[in-house]
Amino acid sequence: GAVVSQHPSWVICKSGTSVKIECRSLDFQATTMFWYRQFPKQSLMLMATSNEGSKATYEQGVEKDKFLINHASLTLSTLTVTSAHPEDSSFYICSARGQDRGDQPQHFGDGTRLSIL
Amino acid sequence: DAKTTQPPSMDCAEGRAANLPCNHSTISGNEYVYWYRQIHSQGPQYIIHGLKNNETNEMASLIITEDRKSSTLILPHATLRDTAVYYCIVRGANSKLTFGKGITLSVRP
Repeated sequence: GAVVSQHPSWVICKSGTSVKIECRSLDFQATTMFWYRQFPKQSLMLMATSNEGSKATYEQGVEKDKFLINHASLTLSTLTVTSAHPEDSSFYICSARGQDRGDQPQHFGDGTRLSIL
Repeated sequence: DAKTTQPPSMDCAEGRAANLPCNHSTISGNEYVYWYRQIHSQGPQYIIHGLKNNETNEMASLIITEDRKSSTLILPHATLRDTAVYYCIVRGANSKLTFGKGITLSVRP
């Protein structure tokens, strides 16, 4: 159980375009979803937290107008990287958590490798 | 959430137990210890978590000291596929996971 599906797994696009990444919880209702970014040889850095039906809460230093997050349902969250540039190239990973108990673990998708040319 | 300290790396022989230590001396009473691992180019995989009692599941065992200031993740029979970065994370209920550098486990044939 507790499967999180992320799509696409990799994407290459030109500088200036916008890219949308989807994150779905397949077998549980995700009241909270998280978006992380990971650069090569570094650890995961939390970008933002979203609760279903609410605006996302962004971590310090993350531009909310550049990284648009939508969490419209209990099973789907999307991250849109707007006007992407080469410095946005990274490994983006979503995570989801249910709300049955306060210690419910977060489960992660397999990530999206984004390359901006 | 309390900070954790892990050695940067360790190795073990295939088939032997891998014991991964973690220090969390500032943990508070309502914070849980979580373990995740990340195999190269994949998302983190949840392994196990606990509050104060030892826990065991099909993947691993988690041993938490009585004072809760440290814990050990035990992989009973390590295989080559267990080679990964293992993260020990402390978080309170309904809080977010913050990743440190983790420990790189290398399982040798």
